[in-house]
Formats: sequence, structure tokens, C-alpha cells
Amino acid sequence: EAGVAQSPRYKIIEKRQSVAFWCNPISGHATLYWYQQILGQGPKLLIQFQNNGVVDDSQLPKDRFSAERLKGVDSTLKIQPAKLEDSAVYLCASSGRSNYGYTFGSGTRLTVV
Amino acid sequence: GEDVEQSLFLSVREGDSSVINCTYTDSSSTYLYWYKQEPGAGLQLLTYIFSNMDMKQDQRLTVLLNKKDKHLSLRIADTQTGDSAIYFCAEQGGFKTIFGAGTRLFVKA
Repeated sequence: EAGVAQSPRYKIIEKRQSVAFWCNPISGHATLYWYQQILGQGPKLLIQFQNNGVVDDSQLPKDRFSAERLKGVDSTLKIQPAKLEDSAVYLCASSGRSNYGYTFGSGTRLTVV
Repeated sequence: GEDVEQSLFLSVREGDSSVINCTYTDSSSTYLYWYKQEPGAGLQLLTYIFSNMDMKQDQRLTVLLNKKDKHLSLRIADTQTGDSAIYFCAEQGGFKTIFGAGTRLFVKA
């Protein structure tokens, strides 16, 4: 089966600019996650969707981050305006009923300068 | 809140066994996972264990779970240079999964 697709792979922006990331999960996976992975740390959950509804967004900085999954398939994560501390790898993952654990995409490496 | 802790580095010689340790705090965890991350890639699920199990073996990988001490370990037999990566322990309770900071495994030829 095709894996979790993410784009772009890399992005460099100046602080206060906006940026958007895209994710297409594995076909049929109802649950989609966005994680932030700062260099040297483990992934931290930003938001979790079940189909097109939000299950958990308690750690999403809602003053600057937003995410949507309108048709319950692909998803976008946006940052506006970006700060230096947003420099990280943004990982998308998905999971389905019949499997354990998550399948991760390769991530988008964001550098804010 | 929930927390998962791992040592940061481990160095082994090729052909030796590697043991990566992890402790977690959530006693209601139902599943515990080990993921592998190679440079520039996302996390890849290696193996998992249910909280009611003590041990699981999968080819070169052996997972040991001490639920009383909330301690999880991953043993890699006959470690190869291709095993060099960061290994993440994760615990899942309900719908939430918490990841450790990862252990970087160096394999010396």
C-alpha cells in the first residue's frame, strides 16, 4: 500500500511569514495526526483528527497554528505568523482500525530564519 | 502528566546485542511501541507489546515489559550497521500516544 504522503519536504521562511503543509494519509485510515518534532526531541502531538472531526488539539498553539481535514482524507497544517521556535520537522501520521501503531510520513522540515 | 524517558545514546560493536531501555509513567497504558527513525525519514513502527504481556519476540527483536516497574526494553540481536538510527519508545493509553525523546544507537564496524 502507498505510504503517508507529505509535502513539501523542506521549507525555509522568514519569521512572521505564513506556511502550509499538506498530508495525504493511507487510504482508509480514519485517524490522522500532526506531530511536531524539534531537533533532539521526540514527536509531540499537535492535533488528532478522527475522519474530519478534531479529537485532540490541546497542544496546538491556536493563536498561530490551524489545521483542517475537510473531507476526512487529506489534511493541511498552517502556521501564521511563524516564529523562530517553530523550526522543526512536522510529521503526519495515520492509523486505521485493523492495525496497531501509526504509519508516519517522511515529514516536512521547516526552518524559520 | 504522562512521561516517557529513555537514555540518549548507546554505542555497540557490530554483531553484539543492543539493549535500549525506556521507563514510562502511565500505569493505564494499553500498548507500548518501539519505533525506528533513520536520518531524514519519519518514524517506522518496529514492534509493539500489549500491556498484559511480559515478552514478545520478532526475529532479531525481543521486547521485555516489566509492568510493575513501568520498564520496557528492546533487545536487538546481532546488531548490524544498518541498525544505526534513533529508537523511540511510545506508550498508548486510550487514544493518546506519548513518545520518548529517542535513543541514538551507534553501531561500530
